Amino acid sequence: DAGITQSPRYKITETGRQVTLMCHQTWSHSYMFWYRQDLGHGLRLIYYSAAADITDKGEVPDGYVVSRSKTENFPLTLESATRSQTSVYFCASSGQVGYGYTFGSGTRLTVV
Amino acid sequence: EDKVVQSPLSLVVHEGDTVTLNCSYEVTNFRSLLWYKQEKKAPTFLFMLTSSGIEKKSGRLSSILDKKELSSILNITATQTGDSAIYLCAVPSTGANNLFFGTGTRLTVIP
Repeated sequence: DAGITQSPRYKITETGRQVTLMCHQTWSHSYMFWYRQDLGHGLRLIYYSAAADITDKGEVPDGYVVSRSKTENFPLTLESATRSQTSVYFCASSGQVGYGYTFGSGTRLTVV
Repeated sequence: EDKVVQSPLSLVVHEGDTVTLNCSYEVTNFRSLLWYKQEKKAPTFLFMLTSSGIEKKSGRLSSILDKKELSSILNITATQTGDSAIYLCAVPSTGANNLFFGTGTRLTVIP
């Protein structure tokens, strides 16, 4: 399917476990992003990537790890999940700097 | 530090009303301002504004940028229940290749 897809859509995990959220896009966009969305904070950037093998931290990177070995995939890993990481996570991609993103449908993660 | 402030935080109106949502920004090297609509899932793109004073329109929605005042407004005329959503404003971040978002305005349209 064309577009940007995230998986899983919903995830419940326990404190301390490692969790990986997947993001896949079919446009060969250079830029990919991970945001988290929390009430009162809006969308906050966790990590972004300008190309395969190039990643950089955003506003709230602590506790997260990313990789981008292929242009189309940008997984986000929570190394040891904490309750404060309960959130909705959005992946997005863009072909050009400063232009609009296309967002995935989001992953709702609950850490218990 | 980049900043995007949206107001009001939430708004409840009746169908048929006209609403104006506000966005002010502080960013070095302004390039553009974007508006998104978020219903239950992912934000969807509405407008991108780069030039001051030029209105962008799409049906009942319109937006205009004021670079002198570092702000933008989003107008929705003859509101419908389907307009109920969170409206997000964003600017490309200074020195980084990402969008910096405001916290959004939650609009609720009552029948």
